This record gives sequence, C-alpha cells and structure tokens, in this order.
Amino acid sequence: KQEVTQIPAALSVPEGENLVLNCSFTDSAIYNLQWFRQDPGKGLTSLLLIQSSQREQTSGRLNASLDKSSGRSTLYIAASQPGDSATYLCAVQDSGYALNFGKGTSLLVTP
Amino acid sequence: GAVVSQHPSWVICKSGTSVKIECRSLDFQATTMFWYRQFPKQSLMLMATSNEGSKATYEQGVEKDKFLINHASLTLSTLTVTSAHPEDSSFYICSARDTSGAYTDTQYFGPGTRLTVL
Repeated sequence: KQEVTQIPAALSVPEGENLVLNCSFTDSAIYNLQWFRQDPGKGLTSLLLIQSSQREQTSGRLNASLDKSSGRSTLYIAASQPGDSATYLCAVQDSGYALNFGKGTSLLVTP
Repeated sequence: GAVVSQHPSWVICKSGTSVKIECRSLDFQATTMFWYRQFPKQSLMLMATSNEGSKATYEQGVEKDKFLINHASLTLSTLTVTSAHPEDSSFYICSARDTSGAYTDTQYFGPGTRLTVL
C-alpha cells in the first residue's frame, strides 16, 4: 500500500523567504503527483499536478518537482507571503485512481 | 474549470440519526467519484470509490452498511451516514474524476461537509 510522508509537519518563516516542502512516497508506480492547499476548515485547492512522465511544473511563485525513481517531490515557494499560510498536502495517484494523501505541512508566514 | 459541489456544507445531528451528503459534478460527467474523510489534524483518508450504476468499493475498515453510497447518475453521488454517532464527526470530502480533458485522470474536489454528531 502506498505510503506518503511529508516533511516538515509544520514550518514558520518570515515573509519574503523562499521555502521547500518535501514529500516522499513508497511505491514509484504512480500516474501523477499533486500538491494541494487547504485552509482551516475548508476544502482543497489544487496547486500543481505533475504527470509521471514530467519532472516539474510551475505556477507563479510555485514550483513542484518530481523524482519518481527515488519517490520524492518538492514544492518550492518563492518570496513567501502571509497569504501563503495554510496546510499543503501532497497526494499521489496510483492505478486505483484514488489519491493517497500525506499528512500535510502546516505553513505559517509571519509579516 | 470543472466544479464539484457538496451539500450541505455543514450539518449537526443527534446521535442515532442518519445524514445524507450530496456530491455533484456541475459541468462534467463523472463515472467515478471518491469519498474521503478527514479527522482533525489528520490527512484525507479514502473511504470508498463510487461508480455510476454499480456498487461502491469500500476501503478496508469502512463499514459499508453504515456509510451507504449511491451513484445513480453521472453527476451525483450521495453518502448516507446511518445511525450516526459522535465518533463519525468528521470532515467529509468528495472528488469527481473527469476523463474528458487533456489529462485522462483529473480529479476535482468538493468543498467538503463538516458533520458534527451530538
């Protein structure tokens, strides 16, 4: 069974810093990997989706990379802002089509 | 972009009652929908896979007689929590699989339903 781990569990940084969130998974036979944002008590917002054949995806200040062979992905956030404060979830999709989620990284960006 | 709605967004009920949660794909047809559950400070855990016109597939440890899933149309799946108890209090999120676009497996998530059982 696929296991998804996210490190760190929580992170607090001052505004303006660049930061990296890490995600690892145990089974490299994935279809894609997705990063989500979840605000407290809210649903999920999809940030980036990387197909298994891709190495990275970029959207604005966000960049996600995927190394399928080593079972790792990183989410890079440039020039962090207080509005980036949220929980970031990594999820991998395998042959069953459902998503396997990590426990998330809780990010706090202080002004 | 594709939109998935859930209704209600929150519900409070007494122990022993049943609660129905609806998940709708508003602008695409979804032969497959998924139901997830999220406890406080935990991640989303898949409960079941809902396929239009057939029985749902439940994950290990999820009671199919307690969590009834019906996927009667290509745009609607319902989750009924029967005889709800306080331990069923959780955040329930559905997703719908859109196979019509450039990416063959894009899932869109609903906003979630907060269930509180007193």
